[in-house]
Amino acid sequence: KQEVTQIPAALSVPEGENLVLNCSFTDSAIYNLQWFRQDPGKGLTSLLLIQSSQREQTSGRLNASLDKSSGRSTLYIAASQPGDSATYLCAVRPRLTSGTYKYIFGTGTRLKVLA
Amino acid sequence: ETGVTQTPRHLVMGMTNKKSLKCEQHLGHNAMYWYKQSAKKPLELMFVYNFKEQTENNSVPSRFSPECPNSSHLFLHLHTLQPEDSALYLCASSQAGLAGSYTDTQYFGPGTRLTVL
Repeated sequence: KQEVTQIPAALSVPEGENLVLNCSFTDSAIYNLQWFRQDPGKGLTSLLLIQSSQREQTSGRLNASLDKSSGRSTLYIAASQPGDSATYLCAVRPRLTSGTYKYIFGTGTRLKVLA
Repeated sequence: ETGVTQTPRHLVMGMTNKKSLKCEQHLGHNAMYWYKQSAKKPLELMFVYNFKEQTENNSVPSRFSPECPNSSHLFLHLHTLQPEDSALYLCASSQAGLAGSYTDTQYFGPGTRLTVL
């Protein structure tokens, strides 16, 4: 059974710091991995999606990497800003039978960037 | 503002009430999802509809009843809920690929915060 773990559960950093969020998954048979951002009491916003054949994706100050063989992904945030404060969720799509559209989510890392 | 809307945003109901959550997507997608988000637990997939047909029911109790009348609308009918059903209910949509293509990104609505008294 696929399980997704995110460490740390919470993180507080000063503004301007570069930081890394970690995601690990137990089964390497995945189609893709996606990073989301969730602001308090709100829905999720997709940040980056990495296909199983890719090693990384970049968008602005965000860079996500994927090492499928070791079951790990990292989200790198450069020059963090107070507006980056949110919960970051990692989700994998298991390589299951055709027609199944399922994502397995981690519990998230709650990030606070201090001004 | 996302292309997925949910109503109501907040709902308080008693255990004997019947209510419905509504989700509408304006993105032309063909797959829609219901998720439950409880405190300190991972997001839990409840139901998946692809081309209006239910393709996933993740062992959800029968007091939750989904309905997908067309590819743009998704409902979650609630009856005789329990206090432990209090959570944020999120709807999402995606453009599910053809067989063998699973590259879709899910777009989420803002959620309905449900409190069961």
